[in-house]
Amino acid sequence: QKEVEQNSGPLSVPEGAIASLNCTYSDRGSQSFFWYRQYSGKSPELIMFIYSNGDKEDGRFTAQLNKASQYVSLLIRDSQPSDSATYLCAVNKGGADGLTFGKGTHLIIQP
Amino acid sequence: GAVVSQHPSWVICKSGTSVKIECRSLDFQATTMFWYRQFPKQSLMLMATSNEGSKATYEQGVEKDKFLINHASLTLSTLTVTSAHPEDSSFYICSAQDSSYEQYFGPGTRLTVT
Repeated sequence: QKEVEQNSGPLSVPEGAIASLNCTYSDRGSQSFFWYRQYSGKSPELIMFIYSNGDKEDGRFTAQLNKASQYVSLLIRDSQPSDSATYLCAVNKGGADGLTFGKGTHLIIQP
Repeated sequence: GAVVSQHPSWVICKSGTSVKIECRSLDFQATTMFWYRQFPKQSLMLMATSNEGSKATYEQGVEKDKFLINHASLTLSTLTVTSAHPEDSSFYICSAQDSSYEQYFGPGTRLTVT
């Protein structure tokens, strides 16, 4: 059974600090890894995707992937109150494959 | 950027009736579309994969006769919830996949069955 695990939180981080979100997955056949942000009552919006081991940076966001440990993380630098949301980790096998989502981590950025 | 629309954005229906939800890719062709469901405080769960011109592939535990999916064109997929019951009340979200395999999510449809 494919599973994606995340700490549900809430994770409270002061404004301006680094928020660190973690995710583990069970299916070693997973090839593509995604981080989505979801505001209450809205559909998810893509923040980043990563396919290869290592780090990938995009603005204030850095995704990290370790396939050997089956671990994905997202770092948010200079956290802003507008970053407060639920962050969903998702994986798939690539190609035309649906996404398996974790339950999400509720992040609160305290002004 | 790629835009996916859903209609309606919310719907209330009586138990036993059927509801159709449309998912459209507005500025690209989507060979594959996906349907997800999200219950309160839960994550998105993949219900089915829809390919243009062929039968949908349903995930384990999803009743294909209850959740009818039609993908008649490269820009439109529909999900019909037949004989809806209160336990079908949920947030239904579609995504459309472009030629580079990136998925774009629609805004979702909130279904309430009374």
